[in-house]
Amino acid sequence: GENVEQHPSTLSVQEGDSAVIKCTYSDSASNYFPWYKQELGKGPQLIIDIRSNVGEKKDQRIAVTLNKTAKHFSLHITETQPEDSAVYFCAASMGSNYQLIWGAGTKLIIKP
Amino acid sequence: EAQVTQNPRYLITVTGKKLTVTCSQNMNHEYMSWYRQDPGLGLRQIYYSMNVEVTDKGDVPEGYKVSRKEKRNFPLILESPSPNQTSLYFCASSPGTGWDTEAFFGQGTRLTVV
Repeated sequence: GENVEQHPSTLSVQEGDSAVIKCTYSDSASNYFPWYKQELGKGPQLIIDIRSNVGEKKDQRIAVTLNKTAKHFSLHITETQPEDSAVYFCAASMGSNYQLIWGAGTKLIIKP
Repeated sequence: EAQVTQNPRYLITVTGKKLTVTCSQNMNHEYMSWYRQDPGLGLRQIYYSMNVEVTDKGDVPEGYKVSRKEKRNFPLILESPSPNQTSLYFCASSPGTGWDTEAFFGQGTRLTVV
């Protein structure tokens, strides 16, 4: 069935180090891949997205890479800061209606 | 301020007592949707609407109803809530078709059914 697998479920990194979260998707026709950040007590918020015609996209300390052949995409956060602590969700558009299917989320902990 | 507003933020109810969670957006977005968030399962779509009077089932629609009589409002109705509907619910809106544009989420409604 249509699904998105996200790993790891929890990631703890030292402040200043890099963090990488990976997602794999099942539908080779998927063409839109957003990443959302959810802070405690709030709704998810888009931080970066990528479309299938692009292999990599950067926005300051955040980057997303897409490997269509392997059907996986990754979020990279460099020089992590305490405010990066949150739950991160990946998603992919799938199915006949291209609805978003979401990963289970990764809790990112930045250790001081 | 552009926003999606959900009410209430917290709700405790009893099995079988009908309830409505309201959702309103002020961005003139065509697309609106409801999600439930459960630990280890991420966000699962309940229903979505691509415009006024157009609604469709998402991945987990059983036990829920929605309506879209006005562009700005998209209420979620639980006609006979059961304990397995205890969850964190989010309403979201997006411009255009919704599947490839930014989704703006409300603050969430934490529902407990006892």
